[in-house]
Amino acid sequence: NAGVTQTPKFRVLKTGQSMTLLCAQDMNHEYMYWYRQDPGMGLRLIHYSVGEGTTAKGEVPDGYNVSRLKKQNFLLGLESAAPSQTSVYFCASSIDKSPLHFGNGTRLTVT
Amino acid sequence: AQRVTQPEKLLSVFKGAPVELKCNYSYSGSPELFWYVQYSRQRLQLLLRHISRESIKGFTADLNKGETSFHLKKPFAQEEDSAMYYCALSGGYTEYGNKLVFGAGTILRVKS
Repeated sequence: NAGVTQTPKFRVLKTGQSMTLLCAQDMNHEYMYWYRQDPGMGLRLIHYSVGEGTTAKGEVPDGYNVSRLKKQNFLLGLESAAPSQTSVYFCASSIDKSPLHFGNGTRLTVT
Repeated sequence: AQRVTQPEKLLSVFKGAPVELKCNYSYSGSPELFWYVQYSRQRLQLLLRHISRESIKGFTADLNKGETSFHLKKPFAQEEDSAMYYCALSGGYTEYGNKLVFGAGTILRVKS
């Protein structure tokens, strides 16, 4: 049972490049979340989702898009990366509404 | 605005000493609070939530609405309690999930 898996673990992008972060869960959870964590700050919600095809903006959605085409996958996209998006990104899933299972994080650096 | 404050970045205690990790919140509605923990090289995980009124790994937390606090306590610290602890406040439930607001976290270091 892998739980919540995030890929990639690390990535370095140049300003303006695009990329997609993948979060996969094998627990059949309805609720999935994307957060970012910056130094000295708590996790901040980017987007979240309940089930296939339904997503909503969180606290800091600008510059990000998401898709949930399959229940087990929640993708976070950066269309044109900016240095301000340098962060550690965490995905989480849950069977009820409160995040329970977290991934190991993706460390993204935008130069 | 909803806000969670964890005033200590680092709390260092000796093994066997009592532990209190402070958490204060700002919220106009009826608060729901959580503690999450991240042990070294492990994933973030839910430790406890106030509505459950449970004790996990010897930790308890009581919601004090008058002082707007949700401090995490343990009477006798163990070395394996060393970790990063995050307090979180529910910023509201929507149909899509729970919009948690996290504090910046406190590192607990238990010395032998």
